[in-house]
Amino acid sequence: DAGVIQSPRHEVTEMGQEVTLRCKPISGHDYLFWYRQTMMRGLELLIYFNNNVPIDDSGMPEDRFSAKMPNASFSTLKIQPSEPRDSAVYFCASTVSSGETQYFGPGTRLLVL
Amino acid sequence: KNQVEQSPQSLIILEGKNCTLQCNYTVSPFSNLRWYKQDTGRGPVSLTIMTFSENTKSNGRYTATLDADTKQSSLHITASQLSDSASYICVVSAPNAGNMLTFGGGTRLMVKP
Repeated sequence: DAGVIQSPRHEVTEMGQEVTLRCKPISGHDYLFWYRQTMMRGLELLIYFNNNVPIDDSGMPEDRFSAKMPNASFSTLKIQPSEPRDSAVYFCASTVSSGETQYFGPGTRLLVL
Repeated sequence: KNQVEQSPQSLIILEGKNCTLQCNYTVSPFSNLRWYKQDTGRGPVSLTIMTFSENTKSNGRYTATLDADTKQSSLHITASQLSDSASYICVVSAPNAGNMLTFGGGTRLMVKP
């Protein structure tokens, strides 16, 4: 298995633009997570899905952030409009069941100018 | 508020030496504790996972210990190698919290030749 796949690996955009991050979880995993990592705040859980259904989005910073999981093999995290403070590394992770080890993707490094 | 505190924030050791990283948590009740290794520019990778009933867990040169009474965990690295240079993140989960995890800020380890 190729592991969790994220794209793009790097994204540079200007303030106000829409940004879409993509994730393909490991096949057979029922849970998918979106995290954000910064030097100041470390790793933060934004939202997670179980069987394509959003379970907890309390970590989503504000309405500018939205996430979808249209099927078991694909999820997106969208920021619209983007702001410089959104600059961070965004990780996607998946796991086979609740409480099991989460497998992280390589991350998307986002820079908003 | 559930917290996970790690120390030291950063550490430099010589190749071949041992080191111990600390993690204190206030998450209660507690389900399990994980140690992740995160290489620069990559996603975290699980090293060990321990439930509240386990005192120690090894993974090669990595040995994690857990004292659920004092809410402390340590990660001991034996005979360090240059490839051990990374951030080590302590992650605690609570029962009945689904996959909600509380992350420590990490310890950045640098192993020098």
